[in-house]
Amino acid sequence: AQKVTQAQTEISVVEKEDVTLDCVYETRDTTYYLFWYKQPPSGELVFLIRRNSFDEQNEISGRYSWNFQKSTSSFNFTITASQVVDSAVYFCALSEVNSGGSNYKLTFGKGTLLTVNP
Amino acid sequence: NAGVTQTPKFRVLKTGQSMTLLCAQDMNHEYMYWYRQDPGMGLRLIHYSVGEGTTAKGEVPDGYNVSRLKKQNFLLGLESAAPSQTSVYFCASTIAGLGRTGEQFFGPGTRLTVL
Repeated sequence: AQKVTQAQTEISVVEKEDVTLDCVYETRDTTYYLFWYKQPPSGELVFLIRRNSFDEQNEISGRYSWNFQKSTSSFNFTITASQVVDSAVYFCALSEVNSGGSNYKLTFGKGTLLTVNP
Repeated sequence: NAGVTQTPKFRVLKTGQSMTLLCAQDMNHEYMYWYRQDPGMGLRLIHYSVGEGTTAKGEVPDGYNVSRLKKQNFLLGLESAAPSQTSVYFCASTIAGLGRTGEQFFGPGTRLTVL
């Protein structure tokens, strides 16, 4: 069975601090995909990034960066110079790939509530 | 494009009542999903569908039924609501196929309270 663990339930930082959200996953599949979603206080779920199991390159998008390490089964998310608008619940998710090669079932972690204080 | 829409946005039920939540997507996605979100539990998959006329159980299917009569719609039914079904329900959809991104697009959610 697949499992995603986000050990940090809540994190509180002061604006402009850097913060890293941890995600550890378990799967027996060799092909899988990892995702991060953001859920701001308004409640909608916003897709941030997708990474497949064969691509271990780190990715940077503005103040956001992701570190994928298969050796430790981790897909951590760093926000540099955090802002109040980054306050949200962040979910890490793992996708199974079916026989047709499609991602089809997401397993979510329990989420990390990030609060950025002014 | 409206994306993924959910009806209703809010609902209060009494124990034992029934209701149907409607999810609609206009992106021609093959796969659709129903999740529930409870505090501290993340999102848990209730049921999903990989195509019109097909449904399958997810992680927490008990007490719910679903139907996918049309490709664009996915209905979630509660036949006899229980307080344990108080939750926020999210519908999602994604396109199928090798190499597709697999990103799931989510609806805005339905907040259901069962008294």
